[in-house]
Amino acid sequence: DIQMTQSPSSLSASVGDRVTITCRASQGIRDDLGWYQQKPGQAPKRLIYAASNLQGGVPSRFSGSGSGTEFTLTISSLQPEDFATYYCLHHNSYSFTFGPGTKVDIK
Amino acid sequence: QLLLQESGPGLVKPSETLSLTCTVSGASISSTSYHWAWVRQPPGKGLDWIASIHYRGRTYSNSSLKSRVSISVDTSRNQFSLKLRSVAAADTAVYYCARLAYSYGPDYWGQGSLVIVSS
Repeated sequence: DIQMTQSPSSLSASVGDRVTITCRASQGIRDDLGWYQQKPGQAPKRLIYAASNLQGGVPSRFSGSGSGTEFTLTISSLQPEDFATYYCLHHNSYSFTFGPGTKVDIK
Repeated sequence: QLLLQESGPGLVKPSETLSLTCTVSGASISSTSYHWAWVRQPPGKGLDWIASIHYRGRTYSNSSLKSRVSISVDTSRNQFSLKLRSVAAADTAVYYCARLAYSYGPDYWGQGSLVIVSS
């Protein structure tokens, strides 16, 4: 089974900061990776699909990059509504595996 | 607009069977391009895929739960369902249903249903 790891597990940042979260796969997964945002009491919301494609309606301050085993999610200028937990997710056509999550909170 | 809605008991006794249904509206569940999935999240923890099903009936499940899980689809009602047998306190979680696009992963999610296992 492919294992997903994320770093850091948590971070504290200020509004306006640039934030980068890294996700690594235990073996190559091409670009079969998405990034999801989850706020307390809510379902995950997809931000990025196929590693670097912005989901419709998601602000352009979010971007994704990477391929193979290493991926990054970047928030170019953190906004108050961005404080949440972020998960990477590897999928195939019928199943998926989440990373452990990165909690972004207010410094 | 595609909507998914979970339904089922919020409280299940230990050793009994957890049963949840996801009703899909705004699109047909009978699409060749998607699987339909269940995911759970224990309180304060991360997300785990449980099982998936295609409308033609092919199923897949997480190996850690495989012996206790069954997933089914009812195309006439545009629903799919989850059964988890012999539950214990560790099965307490928010259960989500989701649509899984073949090439792009899960895109639409239900709001989640909290199931507590307790006597």
